[in-house]
Amino acid sequence: GQSLEQPSEVTAVEGAIVQINCTYQTSGFYGLSWYQQHDGGAPTFLSYNGLDGLEETGRFSSFLSRSDSYGYLLLQELQMKDSASYFCAVRDTGGFKTIFGAGTRLFVKA
Amino acid sequence: SQTIHQWPATLVQPVGSPLSLECTVEGTSNPNLYWYRQAAGRGLQLLFYSVGIGQISSEVPQNLSASRPQDRQFILSSKKLLLSDSGFYLCAWTKTYEQYFGPGTRLTVT
Repeated sequence: GQSLEQPSEVTAVEGAIVQINCTYQTSGFYGLSWYQQHDGGAPTFLSYNGLDGLEETGRFSSFLSRSDSYGYLLLQELQMKDSASYFCAVRDTGGFKTIFGAGTRLFVKA
Repeated sequence: SQTIHQWPATLVQPVGSPLSLECTVEGTSNPNLYWYRQAAGRGLQLLFYSVGIGQISSEVPQNLSASRPQDRQFILSSKKLLLSDSGFYLCAWTKTYEQYFGPGTRLTVT
């Protein structure tokens, strides 16, 4: 079957660093992506890892280990506006399908 | 630049009534198109995807159907809505590995 697991909630303080983990089990794998969704809004793309290693985009970084079927999103210098849900997602079946995890709700406290 | 439109933004429909949600994409040709549903506080459930006109792949057997009458138009339909059809419906298109989402339709079935 296809499944992605990530923590349901994470709480951190403003200015801190937080890591959101994601493990996956899929029949095919064409890369791990991360999306951010604020309450009431649509998801927006944050990052993509097609190969093992770390990808950095400003305050956000994402890591992938294909041998461990594992990845994480790292958010640095947390800001209140980072409070949102974060979803990991895997491209599957020839790259046509994207399967999403259940999401991690991040609460940033002052 | 590419833009994705969805309408209506919100919809309240009685059980047993029909449904038609429309999604159109501008600024790209032959996109892969997707319909997702998101229950409150939950992840994104892939409902349908399409790689071309008239080509629909269904992921979840239910009372919903999808059609792609034109290259950049994707329609989600139902003949008779159920209470369980309530949710946030999102249309998306794929550019390589990134998915871009429309603003969504919030459907409440009463």
